[in-house]
Amino acid sequence: DGGITQSPKYLFRKEGQNVTLSCEQNLNHDAMYWYRQDPGQGLRLIYYSQIVNDFQKGDIAEGYSVSREKKESFPLTVTSAQKNPTAFYLCALRGDAGELFFGEGSRLTVL
Amino acid sequence: AQSVTQLDSHVSVSEGTPVLLRCNYSSSYSPSLFWYVQHPNKGLQLLLKYTSAATLVKGINGFEAEFKKSETSFHLTKPSAHMSDAAEYFCVVRERNSGYALNFGKGTSLLVTP
Repeated sequence: DGGITQSPKYLFRKEGQNVTLSCEQNLNHDAMYWYRQDPGQGLRLIYYSQIVNDFQKGDIAEGYSVSREKKESFPLTVTSAQKNPTAFYLCALRGDAGELFFGEGSRLTVL
Repeated sequence: AQSVTQLDSHVSVSEGTPVLLRCNYSSSYSPSLFWYVQHPNKGLQLLLKYTSAATLVKGINGFEAEFKKSETSFHLTKPSAHMSDAAEYFCVVRERNSGYALNFGKGTSLLVTP
C-alpha cells in the first residue's frame, strides 16, 4: 500500500543470472514477507522476517535468498538455482490483527 | 491445521446485481479470516477482516462478510455489483496461535457484465 514500495515493477532476466527485488517500507512494521504468485494459484510464502537481522524460510525458499539489515528494507534475491523464477512477486507487512498489507508487486520474466 | 477453499474459481454477475463469493475454511483453533481483492498486475488490497468481534464484518467498497462457525464459512457479499468490482478475490485464514502462517485460497475471478 502507500508505505510499501517494490521495485522494479517489471524485470527481465536471462537464465543463469541472479536478480534482486527491492521492498522498502516507511510504516515502522517489524514483520515483512515475500510471496510468489503464479497464474491461477494462491500466494506461496518464500521468506519472512519478524525482526531486523532475523528471517525464516517459508514454503518455497529454495533458490531464493533474503537479508534484513534494516527495518525498512527486505530485499529478495532470485538466484540462478531457482528453476522456474518467472512469476509475480509480492512483498507484504503484517498488521496488528495478523492481516497483511501488500506492495504493488514485481513481475519477473526469465528470457 | 488450517486450510481455505474458495468454492468458485469464476463468478459472473451483471452490473447492479448482488455478488456472492463463497469461502469455506478449516481450522483447529479460533481463526482470523480476511478477504483481499487484486486487480491485474497489482498487489492485494485488504477488503475486510474477521478477528472474533462481530460476526458480520463490513469492509470497503460496500463489501461485507459473515463468519458462520457452524458452517465454517466466510462468504463475501455485495448488494449491487459495479464494473470496477471486476477483479480476483482471495479468502485467507490465519489461526490465532500460528504465528506467521496464513493460508490463501486459490482465488475467485469476478466478472461484471454491463
